[in-house]
Amino acid sequence: AQSVAQPEDQVNVAEGNPLTVKCTYSVSGNPYLFWYVQYPNRGLQFLLKYITGDNLVKGSYGFEAEFNKSQTSFHLKKPSALVSDSALYFCAVRGQASGGSYIPTFGRGTSLIVHP
Amino acid sequence: EAQVTQNPRYLITVTGKKLTVTCSQNMNHEYMSWYRQDPGLGLRQIYYSMNVEATDKGDVPEGYKVSRKEKRNFPLILESPSPNQTSLYFCASSLRGTGGFSNQPQHFGDGTRLSIL
Repeated sequence: AQSVAQPEDQVNVAEGNPLTVKCTYSVSGNPYLFWYVQYPNRGLQFLLKYITGDNLVKGSYGFEAEFNKSQTSFHLKKPSALVSDSALYFCAVRGQASGGSYIPTFGRGTSLIVHP
Repeated sequence: EAQVTQNPRYLITVTGKKLTVTCSQNMNHEYMSWYRQDPGLGLRQIYYSMNVEATDKGDVPEGYKVSRKEKRNFPLILESPSPNQTSLYFCASSLRGTGGFSNQPQHFGDGTRLSIL
């Protein structure tokens, strides 16, 4: 069975500092990995995905994520945080192997708080 | 504007009273799904559909029904709601990409907050 872990319920960072939101996964075969962001009273919005190729993926709003196969991680990063980045972030995985589920598995979410 | 629309956004109802949450997308997406979001549990998939008349159970299907008679609509039906179905519900859709659905991001509606007393 596939799974996603976001080990931090909350991440606090000062505006202008780099931020990292952690995600590790477990899946049979090669993974498809996604990051989504959720603002208050809104649905999830897609940020970026890793399918294959370069381990560093760039996405919306200046976010990027690094795929590390040996550590089964897909951490979300941004070089300089903005107060407006404060939101709930979800990592998700879908298995790629044949017979793999169409059901994506989401992490429990990490609340990012950027302090002015 | 490309969007997934859910209605109602908020609903308070009582145990046992059948209800339907509608979901419609205007992007001609093949794949649609329903999730519930509960504190500390993230999102869990209830049902999904890969095309018209093709639906399947997700991780937490008990107590829910769905139908997919048209490509754009995917209603969620609670035949006899119970308090443990109080939650925030999201509908989502995505395209079929090369090799299937798994490599496509999903587009989410803004959610329906259900309270069942």
